[in-house]
This record gives sequence, C-alpha cells and structure tokens, in this order.
Amino acid sequence: DAKTTQPTSMDCAEGRAANLPCNHSTISGNEYVYWYRQIHSQGPQYIIHGLKNNETNEMASLIITEDRKSSTLILPHATLRDTAVYYCIVRVAVNDYKLSFGAGTTVTVRA
Amino acid sequence: NAGVTQTPKFQVLKTGQSMTLQCAQDMNHEYMSWYRQDPGMGLRLIHYSVGAGITDQGEVPNGYNVSRSTTEDFPLRLLSAAPSQTSVYFCASSYSTTDGFSGNTIYFGEGSWLTVV
Repeated sequence: DAKTTQPTSMDCAEGRAANLPCNHSTISGNEYVYWYRQIHSQGPQYIIHGLKNNETNEMASLIITEDRKSSTLILPHATLRDTAVYYCIVRVAVNDYKLSFGAGTTVTVRA
Repeated sequence: NAGVTQTPKFQVLKTGQSMTLQCAQDMNHEYMSWYRQDPGMGLRLIHYSVGAGITDQGEVPNGYNVSRSTTEDFPLRLLSAAPSQTSVYFCASSYSTTDGFSGNTIYFGEGSWLTVV
C-alpha cells in the first residue's frame, strides 16, 4: 500500500472549516484513500473514503486531486468534539484486513 | 447490533502470566484483525483472519496467538505476558472484498487496556 504524509498537528477554530491535507504521491490506480479518526482513548472511527471522485457524507467531504497524488479532508463546521487524531490511509481494497496507520494529524478545535 | 465488542476493557497481568482478549462481532464480517497501539504511535497489526479457520501474521505477531473457529469470534492469546506487551489492543472487522475495487469500511472495537507488571 502507498505511503501517506500528513502534517503533525493543526488547530482550528470552532465553527470554522478544517482542511486536513494528505500527500500520497505513490498511489496506484486501484488504491483507495481512506480517512479515519481516533478520539482520545477510543477505537478508530471511519470517516470517509474515495477512489477518484470527490465524496461527501454527513461527517465530512473528501477532495482528491485529479492526479490522485494528494487529497484533503474537510470538516465543514468543526466542533470541540472533532478534536482527534486523523489518519489518512491508502490501501488496495483486497487488503481489507490490513490498515497501515502512520502518526496522523492531531487536530485541536479551539473555542 | 452491537458492532465489535472487546473484553475485558482493562486488565493487569504479572510477567509470565497468560490471558485471552476476547473479540466478537455480530455483523457477519469475514475479515477480523487485532492491532496494538503504544503511546503516541499509530496502530500496528498483530494478527488477522480472512475467514473461519484461516489466520495469518501481521506486523508484530511475536508473543501472540489467535484462532478463528467461528465467524463471530477472534480471540487474541498472550502466551507469557511481558512488560513490552503493555499496550492498548483494538479488534477490527470488515466485509471481504470480492471484486477488488469496492472499498469496505473497517469497524473497530473500543479497545482493551493491558498492563503487564
């Protein structure tokens, strides 16, 4: 699975949009981009995933560049409860049993 | 629908003791796996299973055994606990992928905190 690069940390004001970048320049054609988050002391929580097209669900939006070498997770209206570590993961769908977690981005939402 | 259930949530062991962390899912998922997470680090894969009767090693399998006699359960056994196994353990499950191009969500349990003294 392709490696990802994320900033170590970022702050966001409550009520504002949080834009979390992820670089995956070695991604291959059949690899999906996944985002998970881990709120302190809890199990990782699925947020969103995509292959080529931009995706949106009730939690977030995922913007994938046309060359698929980078993506951005957007939390449209960050709340204090969105404070967590966010993981960008790239994996082949058939490797469902494997997830390679890096250090992620620690997002702190401030009032 | 309880999702992925792990027990116990907290456990303290003495060095050399053995124990089993239980994991059960009620979503009929084929894939199940165990991860450990050490302070300030990401999750690392210990063992995984792609179906009943099938298991394989992940990134950090030493000191752990698993079995998968049923689709629902995937216990993790510590054979002789060591302080280096002090960690938070997460069980996860997901559907299998048959077409190779559909992304499937992986569901995680709430974690089991293990301390080996």
